[in-house]
Amino acid sequence: KAGVTQTPRYLIKTRGQQVTLSCSPISGHRSVSWYQQTPGQGLQFLFEYFSETQRNKGNFPGRFSGRQFSNSRSEMNVSTLELGDSALYLCASRPGQVADTQYFGPGTRLTVL
Amino acid sequence: AQSVTQLGSHVSVSEGALVLLRCNYSSSVPPYLFWYVQYPNQGLQLLLKYTSAATLVKGINGFEAEFKKSETSFHLTKPSAHMSDAAEYFCAVIPGSSASKIIFGSGTRLSIRP
Repeated sequence: KAGVTQTPRYLIKTRGQQVTLSCSPISGHRSVSWYQQTPGQGLQFLFEYFSETQRNKGNFPGRFSGRQFSNSRSEMNVSTLELGDSALYLCASRPGQVADTQYFGPGTRLTVL
Repeated sequence: AQSVTQLGSHVSVSEGALVLLRCNYSSSVPPYLFWYVQYPNQGLQLLLKYTSAATLVKGINGFEAEFKKSETSFHLTKPSAHMSDAAEYFCAVIPGSSASKIIFGSGTRLSIRP
């Protein structure tokens, strides 16, 4: 099976712009989670989608949003970018149950100038 | 509240030496526990997972971890370090309840000295 794929791998934006990141989960996986990873804050959970519904949400401002499509692919959107949004954004998928292992994609490196 | 604590943000060992990365968790219900490894500019890769079947869990690349309920610990070990083990390691917990959010520790960077 193909792994989790994320596009694009690298992105450079300027403050105030918006960005959309994409994640394609492993075939058959219905849950997709998003994380932000920075040197200062470590791995922080953004949100999880399961069967097109947001199942869990972290403590991020409303500028961060996501959605999931019927084929389980997910997108994450960040509006009005700030310098502090520069990070590695990781997507992870799992079949759907609570104890299922999460499988991570390679991440999208976002740089905000 | 559930949490994960990794003691030591940076651990350095000599090649061939024992690797010990510490992880303590808090959970009001029996948890599911994970260790992940992250190499530079890559995503996280599962090393091993504890699901209550056995307290000693063997993972990939020669790593293993032991679940100790009395100590609320899930330390990661490898008898003999290899240069290729240099990476960042994350301990994670899913409380075994209806909560579905996985909680990650802050990570431990492992360096290997020649």
